Amino acid sequence: GAVVSQHPSRVICKSGTSVKIECRSLDFQATTMFWYRQFPKKSLMLMATSNEGSKATYEQGVEKDKFLINHASLTLSTLTVTSAHPEDSSFYICSARKNNEKLFFGSGTQLSVL
Amino acid sequence: DAKTTQPTSMDCAEGRAANLPCNHSTISGNEYVYWYRQIHSQGPQYIIHGLKNNETNEMASLIITEDRKSSTLILPHATLRDTAVYYCIVNDAGNNRKLIWGLGTSLAVNP
Repeated sequence: GAVVSQHPSRVICKSGTSVKIECRSLDFQATTMFWYRQFPKKSLMLMATSNEGSKATYEQGVEKDKFLINHASLTLSTLTVTSAHPEDSSFYICSARKNNEKLFFGSGTQLSVL
Repeated sequence: DAKTTQPTSMDCAEGRAANLPCNHSTISGNEYVYWYRQIHSQGPQYIIHGLKNNETNEMASLIITEDRKSSTLILPHATLRDTAVYYCIVNDAGNNRKLIWGLGTSLAVNP
C-alpha cells in the first residue's frame, strides 16, 4: 500500500516555542492532506484540510494563526504549532488521499509542551 | 457527530474469529463503509472498505447487510497483534469530504 511518512514521531518543547511537523507521501502524489489531533482515549479530531497550492481549510474552533499549514508540493504538507503551550500537547496525525482512494495515515507525532 | 455506532470494547481469544459490528442506519446510497484500526500511539491503518457487496482481503472480511444499515468486520484468526481500536466510518468515496471518527471499538485479543 501507499506510504505516508510523518516526522518527528515525538517532540518535547518549551512553552512559547514553535514546532513543525512534516507529512510526506512517499510513493504517490497527494493533492489533499488532512491534519488531526487526538487526546488520550479519544477519537481523531480533524483540524484542517490541506490543499496543494492553496490555503488550508480549518475546522471550526481551530485557530489558523496558531496551527499554520503549508502544502507547498504534491508530496509534502507541514503543520507548525506556533507559540506552543501545554494545552497544545497532543498526538498529531496526518493523512493523505491518493487520487480518490482510501486515506493513508502517518505514524503520528506526540507533542509534549513543558 | 459520527454517523456510526460501535460497541465500546470487545474481547476475543487468540486464534478465534473476531466479529466487530457497526451500525450505520443513516448511510446514504453513495456512501462507502470504511474500517480502520489504530494500535496504541500509532496512526490509523486502513483495513477494508465496501459499498454493498461483501469484501475480503488479506486482513479481513467485511459483511454488509442487504439494507446497508449495519456491517461486521471479521478478523478470521485473531492474533495478539490485532489488539487495537477499530473504527467504522461511512464516507462518500471520490470526495475529499472529511471523515468523521467515532470512538471505535477497543478490541483486546487474549492469549
